[in-house]
Parts: sequence; structure tokens; C-alpha cells
Amino acid sequence: GAGVSQSPSNKVTEKGKDVELRCDPISGHTALYWYRQSLGQGLEFLIYFQGNSAPDKSGLPSDRFSAERTGGSVSTLTIQRTQQEDSAVYLCASRYSLAGVRNEQFFGPGTRLTVL
Amino acid sequence: GENVEQHPSTLSVQEGDSAVIKCTYSDSASNYFPWYKQELGKGPQLIIDIRSNVGEKKDQRIAVTLNKTAKHFSLHITETQPEDSAVYFCAAANYGGSQGNLIFGKGTKLSVKP
Repeated sequence: GAGVSQSPSNKVTEKGKDVELRCDPISGHTALYWYRQSLGQGLEFLIYFQGNSAPDKSGLPSDRFSAERTGGSVSTLTIQRTQQEDSAVYLCASRYSLAGVRNEQFFGPGTRLTVL
Repeated sequence: GENVEQHPSTLSVQEGDSAVIKCTYSDSASNYFPWYKQELGKGPQLIIDIRSNVGEKKDQRIAVTLNKTAKHFSLHITETQPEDSAVYFCAAANYGGSQGNLIFGKGTKLSVKP
């Protein structure tokens, strides 16, 4: 399809394990964002990519969280040594970023992460 | 940094009635204000947005108003239908500053009773 896709849709892991979450943005969208949605909470910004660069990582909660983007397309969010408080829905969004134009962000369906 | 407050947290209306959700923001540099609808198990979907140079925008049964002086914006849904039941999020962004990461309100769970 033409939308943002994320995989896996659900991930259950044990405390202390590493996990990788994948995001495929809409083709041609140069801006990519990761957000986290905890139970009963709003959406919390994690990191922003413009192309393959991440000029804003201010939302990453700890150094256990990292992300990369390759080829200006697919992005991977990695959480090392997962903790129970990392349990949440991780959402990816992409935007066609053109200077001076404020375009909407399109969200994927999210990955529900459960840390046991 | 930006802070967005959203009220009410839950809203129950009868089918056909209007629903109003209100948000306030703190950063006067914010210039883009979208509203998202999120259904269970799905990602948020944009339903309407407004730029800072516009005071009101309407799309069929949905309208958004923005008061820059007071730093608040509101979502109005008229003639509500059961399929409008969902969680609605407001957000604010500064596309000239922090590259547009959205700061979201906590959400409003809207229930439309048939």
C-alpha cells in the first residue's frame, strides 16, 4: 500500500533483551518521526530524521534507545536491555518535507511492545 | 519547551449533538495545529489542521478555530455519528524551529451514543 508501514505489529520480549522496530515511510517522504504512546497517555516524541540524519534526538528517554535511517527510507528503532517501563506502542510518522511548507505527518499502525 | 493541554479527557454525546474539544498551548512560536483521530488498534489519522495565519477552517462536519492571542484552539464536530467515537488528539508544532515534531495533548475519548 501507499501508507506508512511498521513491523512487527506486536512484539513480546523478556526484560533485558534487545528489540528492533522497523518503519517503512511513504515513498518520497524525507522527514521521519518516531513517537511512543504509553497506556492511557498521549503521544511522546522520540526522534526526528531528515533524510538519513537525525538533527533532533531530544525525545529519546535513555541511551538504551537508538535509531537509524538508511537510504533516506527505512528506519529502525532499537531498544537495548529492555525494561518493563519500555512497554508501549511505538509509532512512526513520515512527512514530505519542503522548506516553508507545513505538511501533515502520516502515521503508521504502530508496534505494540510488551516487556515481561 | 511546548506544552499542550487538552480538555475534556472524556466526552459523551447523543447522536446528532455537537462535540467540542479544547486545547491550549504554551509556545508562541508554534505555527501548525493538527487534530488526529485514533481508533482502537490503529495509528492516528489526521482529520483537520490549521496554520497560524488562519483563524478558522471547516471541512464538512468538522471545524477548527485558533486564537493565537489566547494560545488556544478547538475542534468542533457537528451532527455527531456513532462512527465518530474514537480518541481525538490535538497537537502543536513549530515547523520553522524544531523541524516539526508534534507535541500532543493527552487525548479526548469521544463516545457517541445512538
